Amino acid sequence: NAGVTQTPKFQVLKTGQSMTLQCAQDMNHEYMSWYRQDPGMGLRLIHYSVGAGITDQGEVPNGYNVSRSTTEDFPLRLLSAAPSQTSVYFCASSEGGGNYGYTFGSGTRLTVV
Amino acid sequence: AQSVTQLDSQVPVFEEAPVELRCNYSSSVSVYLFWYVQYPNQGLQLLLKYLSGSTLVESINGFEAEFNKSQTSFHLRKPSVHISDTAEYFCAVSRSPGTASKLTFGTGTRLQVTL
Repeated sequence: NAGVTQTPKFQVLKTGQSMTLQCAQDMNHEYMSWYRQDPGMGLRLIHYSVGAGITDQGEVPNGYNVSRSTTEDFPLRLLSAAPSQTSVYFCASSEGGGNYGYTFGSGTRLTVV
Repeated sequence: AQSVTQLDSQVPVFEEAPVELRCNYSSSVSVYLFWYVQYPNQGLQLLLKYLSGSTLVESINGFEAEFNKSQTSFHLRKPSVHISDTAEYFCAVSRSPGTASKLTFGTGTRLQVTL
């Protein structure tokens, strides 16, 4: 099925460990974003990309890295996990422009202990 | 920069009753407005959007929202809710025109429909 695929669905990390959250879309969307969802805070933008090779910071980028080597993939890297990064992470893609809605993945639930 | 305020964190309602979920935004430029719905343990799905033209927009499952520029609001309404409408609803805004990437979300309203 076409859409946004995120892996893994669940992950437990120890403080200080690093990991990569994977995100892939097969809709040839130019725009991709990573959000984190925390109770009572809605979704906050971490990083986004407007095309292969182009990334930029969102509202809460500290502690995360991204790269966009292909149109399809947009991985999110946690450099040194901290308990404050315990959250649900969503990847989303859009065809482009402000008049297109986003397609979201099903999320990755990350717990840092 | 733009911001979104959803005034109600939770809205309990009985089945077949009407409901309104409130959303106010703040922006110094023109905006596009969106409502997304999140069912338990799922990602967000686009419910409806306002881009331009008619200020009243509708979804396929009976929800509607009205853009009110003077009150900077985009409230979501449904005349008769169903148990299956139980979910969390997020209002969002992006610049118009501009990139869809910088979508700013409200904190969400949890709609709980009971018999």
